[in-house]
Amino acid sequence: KAGVTQTPRYLIKTRGQQVTLSCSPISGHRSVSWYQQTPGQGLQFLFEYFSETQRNKGNFPGRFSGRQFSNSRSEMNVSTLELGDSALYLCASSLRGGQGYNEQFFGPGTRLTVL
Amino acid sequence: GNSVTQMEGPVTLSEEAFLTINCTYTATGYPSLFWYVQYPGEGLQLLLKATKADDKGSNKGFEATYRKETTSFHLEKGSVQVSDSAVYFCALSGTASKLTFGTGTRLQVTL
Repeated sequence: KAGVTQTPRYLIKTRGQQVTLSCSPISGHRSVSWYQQTPGQGLQFLFEYFSETQRNKGNFPGRFSGRQFSNSRSEMNVSTLELGDSALYLCASSLRGGQGYNEQFFGPGTRLTVL
Repeated sequence: GNSVTQMEGPVTLSEEAFLTINCTYTATGYPSLFWYVQYPGEGLQLLLKATKADDKGSNKGFEATYRKETTSFHLEKGSVQVSDSAVYFCALSGTASKLTFGTGTRLQVTL
């Protein structure tokens, strides 16, 4: 079974631009979560989608948004990029979402650099 | 809110040495606990997990026991190898399925 895939793997943007990252979960998984990893803040939860609905959201500004499609693939969008948005963005999929224990499987990440 | 505290790194060990990476947590209710490992340039891989008190998770020679009385989930391995060099993250999952991570501990194993 194929793992979680993320595209693109690397991205360079300039301040003020917007960016869209894509995540394809493991086949049969219906929940997708996004995390931001930076040297200063570590790993922080962005949001979780299940059945095309956002179920949980972290403490990020409204410039960060996401969506999930009927095939469970997910995209996240960052508008009006800032230098501080430079990070590794990780996507994780699990069988189901919401409350309780759900083992999450991570993709390789998208490395975003904002110049 | 939930939080995870793990020991600062880097931890430098000689091959075949004993490894302990400390992890303590704060959470309401009964969280599930995890150790993830990240190799350079890669995403996170689940190393082991424990879903209730006194559970012991184990994988590839690594072990950790869910201690509710001390709110700890320390990672141990009896004999480390150079290939174990990576960053290790302790994490918990509470009533919501999102993961709360510690800051990570870099392990470097030398010959």
